[in-house]
Amino acid sequence: TQLLEQSPQFLSIQEGENLTVYCNSSSVFSSLQWYRQEPGEGPVLLVTVVTGGEVKKLKRLTFQFGDARKDSSLHITAAQPGDTGLYLCAGAGAGSYQLTFGKGTKLSVIP
Amino acid sequence: EAGVAQSPRYKIIEKRQSVAFWCNPISGHATLYWYQQILGQGPKLLIQFQNNGVVDDSQLPKDRFSAERLKGVDSTLKIQPAKLEDSAVYLCASSLVFTGSGANVLTFGAGSRLTVL
Repeated sequence: TQLLEQSPQFLSIQEGENLTVYCNSSSVFSSLQWYRQEPGEGPVLLVTVVTGGEVKKLKRLTFQFGDARKDSSLHITAAQPGDTGLYLCAGAGAGSYQLTFGKGTKLSVIP
Repeated sequence: EAGVAQSPRYKIIEKRQSVAFWCNPISGHATLYWYQQILGQGPKLLIQFQNNGVVDDSQLPKDRFSAERLKGVDSTLKIQPAKLEDSAVYLCASSLVFTGSGANVLTFGAGSRLTVL
């Protein structure tokens, strides 16, 4: 079983601050996805990364896939209250179609 | 485009009772997934369908859980009898094509929250 560890588990910051959350594993993934889940809703896909070292930007969010494809990070610049939610990373192992989810980072952005 | 529809949104039952959840995926999506999300954890795959066939049900507790996808469209997930540890949100997701690459784009429904007393 491939495990994804996310850190920190909880994060509470003031509006305008920057933050980084991490997703780590000892296993190699063929692809990794980041989702955001708001209370009472299902996860919504933010990005998919497939190449080691790949960096993708989505407005104020920057996603990076580690060179060895074992880890990923999500950096948010100038956080806003609308960024509040549970951030989940999910990886698919080499030759596998099944997504393994981490436990998530619960982010609260205080106005 | 309509999203993934799930019902009921909330269900409270006593242990040993039965419950069923329904999911209508996005039109044209061949692959349908049921995930279980326990409070404080990430979603765990229970079963994956490709059209009306089962692709993966290795993590489905088959002694109490069952799922079907008749005609390759709607799906139901049933729990009988329920246990306290089944309290969770049951998420249905669908994707357009199962490519086998692991990079499928999943669209999730809002989930069905089950409380077992």
